[in-house]
Amino acid sequence: ELKVEQNPLFLSMQEGKNYTIYCNYSTTSDRLYWYRQDPGKSLESLFVLLSNGAVKQEGRLMASLDTKARLSTLHITAAVHDLSATYFCAVDTWRDGNKLVFGAGTILRVKS
Amino acid sequence: DAMVIQNPRYQVTQFGKPVTLSCSQTLNHNVMYWYQQKSSQAPKLLFHYYDKDFNNEADTPDNFQSRRPNTSFCFLDIRSPGLGDAAMYLCATSRDFTGTGSGTEAFFGQGTRLTVV
Repeated sequence: ELKVEQNPLFLSMQEGKNYTIYCNYSTTSDRLYWYRQDPGKSLESLFVLLSNGAVKQEGRLMASLDTKARLSTLHITAAVHDLSATYFCAVDTWRDGNKLVFGAGTILRVKS
Repeated sequence: DAMVIQNPRYQVTQFGKPVTLSCSQTLNHNVMYWYQQKSSQAPKLLFHYYDKDFNNEADTPDNFQSRRPNTSFCFLDIRSPGLGDAAMYLCATSRDFTGTGSGTEAFFGQGTRLTVV
């Protein structure tokens, strides 16, 4: 059964600092997603990573995937207050009926 | 343009009164998912359709049912809502791939926030 673990679950950081959120998953996956969620809102897709070594960047966020280690990272560079949100990673695989399984989420609070 | 549309955005229902949430998509995706998300928790998969095949999660209560009359529409029926069913309900779609194709990523609707009074 596919399981996804994220850490940390809560991250409080100062503006301008860098930090990394980690996402581990238990079995071979085909697609790894990073989503952002603001309070009361739905999920906003940030990145989809498909292959080993994939790296994608958008603004201050960069995501990478290591399929051999079954690990994805979401790196935050020079954090700003607007990045405060909850970030989820999610994984799916056709080997598990295309189920999309989520990690627990990381609550990010960027302090001015 | 919205590609996965959920209606209504907000739903208030009485305890025990059946309620139906709807989801439609313009992407022609063959996989559709329903998730329940309670406050400060991750989305929890209730069930998903792979084409017409219904896949129920083992821990989804019998109180929750789903229908998919065609590719574009999927409904979530809650037969007797309890206070514990108050949550955001998220619909998502994707195109599967079998390990040889490229498939497409999952897209989420805006969600329906259900309140039970």
